[in-house]
Amino acid sequence: DAKTTQPTSMDCAEGRAANLPCNHSTISGNEYVYWYRQIHSQGPQYIIHGLKNNETNEMASLIITEDRKSSTLILPHATLRDTAVYYCIVRENSWGKLQFGAGTQVVVTP
Amino acid sequence: DAGVIQSPRHEVTEMGQEVTLRCKPISGHNSLFWYRQTMMRGLELLIYFNNNVPIDDSGMPEDRFSAKMPNASFSTLKIQPSEPRDSAVYFCASSSTPTTGEQFFGPGTRLTVL
Repeated sequence: DAKTTQPTSMDCAEGRAANLPCNHSTISGNEYVYWYRQIHSQGPQYIIHGLKNNETNEMASLIITEDRKSSTLILPHATLRDTAVYYCIVRENSWGKLQFGAGTQVVVTP
Repeated sequence: DAGVIQSPRHEVTEMGQEVTLRCKPISGHNSLFWYRQTMMRGLELLIYFNNNVPIDDSGMPEDRFSAKMPNASFSTLKIQPSEPRDSAVYFCASSSTPTTGEQFFGPGTRLTVL
């Protein structure tokens, strides 16, 4: 009962922006959108999260549509070190589990 | 800040043996999580502690698995007896509060049960 749908894989050229889509059409009003990534052989790493408004931090930007049914994670200038599996997760900000789906395998190429 | 520390990083054991995985959360974090990752099932939450008390262990696969958190700086995940299907990477994560979704993961322990 995955709450999010992501493409299985995508490629991105080094130095270009990477736009990672996520569909979460059944998201409820009190659920946040979280993004994590997992570089090969490492533990998952938190990237960013948001509720309604767009968010930006030193790693990425998160754009959430007005109806909140989808979002896009933007890596502004992809580097080879951004090659990883990216997970989009919806979660309540009370005690809500992080439920990891299959994610999107992003490969950044020179 | 050393981050979440897990040991051992790799463990190879034979079926039937007891396995103990260890985790030291980030100092000051009140919540600790144990996850398991396999190719077939992805990343699954096994158990979650808040202030050293187990809150949700619904993800623990069966009675062979047990987890403890005797103090704020140490937790163990024990498998007794181990089986080949327990082979996986086990991650420990911690967070500053139980409500935040920003969890900090350790490097994981790769367990192989022969």
